[in-house]
Amino acid sequence: QVQLQESGPGLVKPSQTLSLTCTVSGGSISSGSYYWSWIRQPAGKGLEWIGRIYTSGSTNYNPSLKSRVTISLDTSKNHFSLKLSSVTAADTAVYYCARETYNSGWYADPWGQGALVTVSS
Amino acid sequence: DIQLTQSPSFLSASVGDRVTITCRASQGISSYLAWYQQKPGKAPKLLISAASTLQSGVPSRFSGSGSGTEFILTISSLQPEDFATYYCQQLNSYPITFGQGTRLDIK
Repeated sequence: QVQLQESGPGLVKPSQTLSLTCTVSGGSISSGSYYWSWIRQPAGKGLEWIGRIYTSGSTNYNPSLKSRVTISLDTSKNHFSLKLSSVTAADTAVYYCARETYNSGWYADPWGQGALVTVSS
Repeated sequence: DIQLTQSPSFLSASVGDRVTITCRASQGISSYLAWYQQKPGKAPKLLISAASTLQSGVPSRFSGSGSGTEFILTISSLQPEDFATYYCQQLNSYPITFGQGTRLDIK
């Protein structure tokens, strides 16, 4: 079965770029009709959808973050990545990657375990 | 953006109780709604997709209903492992949004 695992620095300085990678195992990231997405959750708060990339490479971003977000796909490494620029303390959160699938409706499953990123000098 | 409002935000119940959580959308989303369960320190777990499709491996005490703007998650008989936070998510239009969550605590 497909599994996802986030990786990247756990500490990022303000104004710098947050970079995370989601490695997919148990299946090819370029096969099937899936979206590969990023979601984040500040401590003690709810979930915020950041954006997603289709297997073709097309992307959709949350307008609230669009000017700072880039999601890309690396089929040779079977992973996809998130870059969030000009970070502030408000970007401190657990970042999840997930696969979005369509079966009568879209849904996100599976999810990675999450990666805590702290923005601090 | 489509706003999802869950009610209640907090719910205290006992083992064996029947509980319902409502998710209201600010505009119609057909049946493009999913429900997730999240326990502390863990990723959300998909329970229900397309408003009412129970995912494989999810106990049958969970059920979902609704379409358009009002959706309900029902747990027919609470078990100890069901105490968690529940989120609805709409995947009808961008940006994809989540409800604020319903925390279900033991009474």
